[in-house]
Amino acid sequence: EAGVAQSPRYKIIEKRQSVAFWCNPISGHATLYWYQQILGQGPKLLIQFQNNGVVDDSQLPKDRFSAERLKGVDSTLKIQPAKLEDSAVYLCASSFAFPTRQGRGETQYFGPGTRLLVL
Amino acid sequence: QKEVEQDPGPLSVPEGAIVSLNCTYSNSAFQYFMWYRQYSRKGPELLMYTYSSGNKEDGRFTAQVDKSSKYISLFIRDSQPSDSATYLCAMTWLRGAQKLVFGQGTRLTINP
Repeated sequence: EAGVAQSPRYKIIEKRQSVAFWCNPISGHATLYWYQQILGQGPKLLIQFQNNGVVDDSQLPKDRFSAERLKGVDSTLKIQPAKLEDSAVYLCASSFAFPTRQGRGETQYFGPGTRLLVL
Repeated sequence: QKEVEQDPGPLSVPEGAIVSLNCTYSNSAFQYFMWYRQYSRKGPELLMYTYSSGNKEDGRFTAQVDKSSKYISLFIRDSQPSDSATYLCAMTWLRGAQKLVFGQGTRLTINP
């Protein structure tokens, strides 16, 4: 089974530029997550999709970050304009379960991440 | 105060040692507790999953949850150099969104 795919793996940009990241989740996974992991910290959830709808974007800086998941499969995360503090690894994860399902928590499978450096 | 606190280390132990990794949390609503392992330049992978209080064992790994103390632990027995990685605790609510709240991770090195 193929894992979560992300591209690019690395990106270096100047501040105030724009950047976009792409994620292809595991086939059949309805739920997709974007996390930001700053060096030395744990991942922080930015946005969660269920199919192509947004479930939680409470920690997404909406003035500069946007995300979409067209057709409920692939997703893109965009930053425009980038700031120095956006330097981080952006992780995409996917899982089978719908977020309102009761019972066991569901395993999230993570991609390798995109390392962003803003100069 | 962060919702989840984890000692960042780094922690360095000799091969074969027993390793103890810990997290404390403040939100009593957390019901599901996980440990993820993250190798350098890789995404986190789920290592252990526990529900509510108690112990769970899987091979050389044992996860403990003490909800009364808001404290979780991961023990690694007979540690191997391949266990060298960053270990992240994560937790979430029973119902609603599957929003994982992560600790900051403990960097572990097992020396041959």
